[in-house]
Amino acid sequence: GQQVMQIPQYQHVQEGEDFTTYCNSSTTLSNIQWYKQRPGGHPVFLIQLVKSGEVKKQKRLTFQFGEAKKNSSLHITATQTTDVGTYFCAGLNFNKFYFGSGTKLNVKP
Amino acid sequence: AAGVIQSPRHLIKEKRETATLKCYPIPRHDTVYWYQQGPGQDPQFLISFYEKMQSDKGSIPDRFSAQQFSDYHSELNMSSLELGDSALYFCASSLGGPGANTEAFFGQGTRLTVV
Repeated sequence: GQQVMQIPQYQHVQEGEDFTTYCNSSTTLSNIQWYKQRPGGHPVFLIQLVKSGEVKKQKRLTFQFGEAKKNSSLHITATQTTDVGTYFCAGLNFNKFYFGSGTKLNVKP
Repeated sequence: AAGVIQSPRHLIKEKRETATLKCYPIPRHDTVYWYQQGPGQDPQFLISFYEKMQSDKGSIPDRFSAQQFSDYHSELNMSSLELGDSALYFCASSLGGPGANTEAFFGQGTRLTVV
């Protein structure tokens, strides 16, 4: 069954607003990765988090890995229309990547 | 930089036919993962290979089989196709085995339509 849960499923924001998606695993993860998939495209790797409590930033994107290595979040500050897409987390556990169900972000100009 | 190559990009098959999807990983990558993504769904793990050996198996139907060859490319063979097999099939590659802390790079996918 689904081991990595992701919320929310959809998020509609006005351009300039912030956005956050959350990822929760039922088990401790070795690492967690975040991907972005544009409509009709393939998942594109964004970042990998390995250490407990790790925080990484990429411009307007901030990624966090929980202390227990069971949850993670992606926060986008001041969204732009180019941020539109589906954001997936993928947790590595027992030699398999488990994808979250994804959060579909729509940004209204 | 070389990426993961999947072929074909699009494939249309009839029910009960057979299909073969190919994946060429990034050079020197030794691990390949296959995922199936239905419309509006998240990618579902099918199977993975490390150093030409199957390393893990997910929700892959018995009608499907896969292997990794000596040059590390992988093929997903799908027989007795059903309408529900219509999906986007992604291949991803990484280095160092599935347990390694290394990112996976995805190919652009093969869109399979079964009619």
